[in-house]
Amino acid sequence: DAGVIQSPRHEVTEMGQEVTLRCKPISGHDYLFWYRQTMMRGLELLIYFNNNVPIDDSGMPEDRFSAKMPNASFSTLKIQPSEPRDSAVYFCASSLALGKKNYNSPLHFGNGTRLTVT
Amino acid sequence: LAKTTQPISMDSYEGQEVNITCSHNNIATNDYITWYQQFPSQGPRFIIQGYKTKVTNEVASLFIPADRKSSTLSLPRVSLSDTAVYYCLVLLSGNTGKLIFGQGTTLQVKP
Repeated sequence: DAGVIQSPRHEVTEMGQEVTLRCKPISGHDYLFWYRQTMMRGLELLIYFNNNVPIDDSGMPEDRFSAKMPNASFSTLKIQPSEPRDSAVYFCASSLALGKKNYNSPLHFGNGTRLTVT
Repeated sequence: LAKTTQPISMDSYEGQEVNITCSHNNIATNDYITWYQQFPSQGPRFIIQGYKTKVTNEVASLFIPADRKSSTLSLPRVSLSDTAVYYCLVLLSGNTGKLIFGQGTTLQVKP
């Protein structure tokens, strides 16, 4: 298995532009997570999906951020318009199962997208 | 969700055993304890998970005392390549999936 695949690996854009980050989870995984990592705030959970349905988006910073999962093999995180404070590494992760009694599948992370907004 | 507390950083030398302790005083009955490792420019990677007593795999051991209010990740005979950030998470069985990472422990292994 190729693992969780994220694209692009690096994105440099100007303030005000739209940015779209992409993620392909591991086949068969039920859960998909989007995290953001910065030096100041560490790893922050933005949103997660279960069976393609958004479950908790309380970590999404503001209305400029949106995430979709149109099918089990693809998700996007969009920032529109982007701002310099959005500069961070964005990680996607997937998991086979969570919260099942006596069983907790680990998260599998992609290698992230490093976003720089100038 | 149970909050975790870990040391910010630790130093060690090659060949030594490293123990990183995580406090989770308000852990609930059904919570599991999970540890992740993160290298620079990579996403976190699962190391080990346990519920009570001791768990061992090819990478590490996890010791959990009877009260489960803390846990210790043990890395035997570390090498330079073990330099990374280590995160302790408490994962609630029955949790719908909101997994929160703490600040982690930055381990620096010196030659």
